[in-house]
Amino acid sequence: QVTLRESGPALVKPTQTLTLTCTFSGFSLSTSGMCVSWIRQPPGKALEWLALIDWDDDKYYSTSLKTRLTISKDTSKNQVVLTMTNMDPVDTATYYCARMDIRVYAFDIWGQGTMVTVSS
Amino acid sequence: EIVLTQSPGTLSLSPGERATLSCRASQSVSSSYLAWYQQKPGQAPRLLIYGASSRATGIPDRFSGSGSGTDFTLTISRLEPEDFAVYYCQQYGSPGRTFGPGTKVDIK
Repeated sequence: QVTLRESGPALVKPTQTLTLTCTFSGFSLSTSGMCVSWIRQPPGKALEWLALIDWDDDKYYSTSLKTRLTISKDTSKNQVVLTMTNMDPVDTATYYCARMDIRVYAFDIWGQGTMVTVSS
Repeated sequence: EIVLTQSPGTLSLSPGERATLSCRASQSVSSSYLAWYQQKPGQAPRLLIYGASSRATGIPDRFSGSGSGTDFTLTISRLEPEDFAVYYCQQYGSPGRTFGPGTKVDIK
């Protein structure tokens, strides 16, 4: 059974750096074709794709947020980490991690999400 | 970056009716790279359709996807009470993996 779980702070202050961890099981990010992505959703708004890392350690970022994001993986721990710098109240959102299998090129399994509020 | 537009923004229908949701891309998208998701309040999105027309595991056959190029459609043949939700299309391209703004299907 494939599962993903997001963890990180529920509250961050403006200008701080957010670090989120996605811990997964049921698959390996060293397996060809496997990818993990981060997606966020502000309250009442649409989904926004942020970043993706693949089995070959290739990384892809949202054009609009590229300068603030870093995605990395620890294959031995089955974890993917996202850092976002210079947090602002508009970054308040639920942050999801999701698996992508390139056999389907879609996010087939999602974590439950973690809500992050940016406020002083 | 490819921009996805979904219409209508809200679709008000009754159970048993047919729902037709549209997703239009600002430039051509490979059919292999177009997916649809369903999201209910307080829940993570769920994959419905990948490759424009293939149903994900466990998805009922009342859900179908079609289209190519810049125009894609999600059809729900007969709405069940559990189908009232928000639906997003998403494309996998370079550089981004963008989502559309969503269509809310609510009860008339």
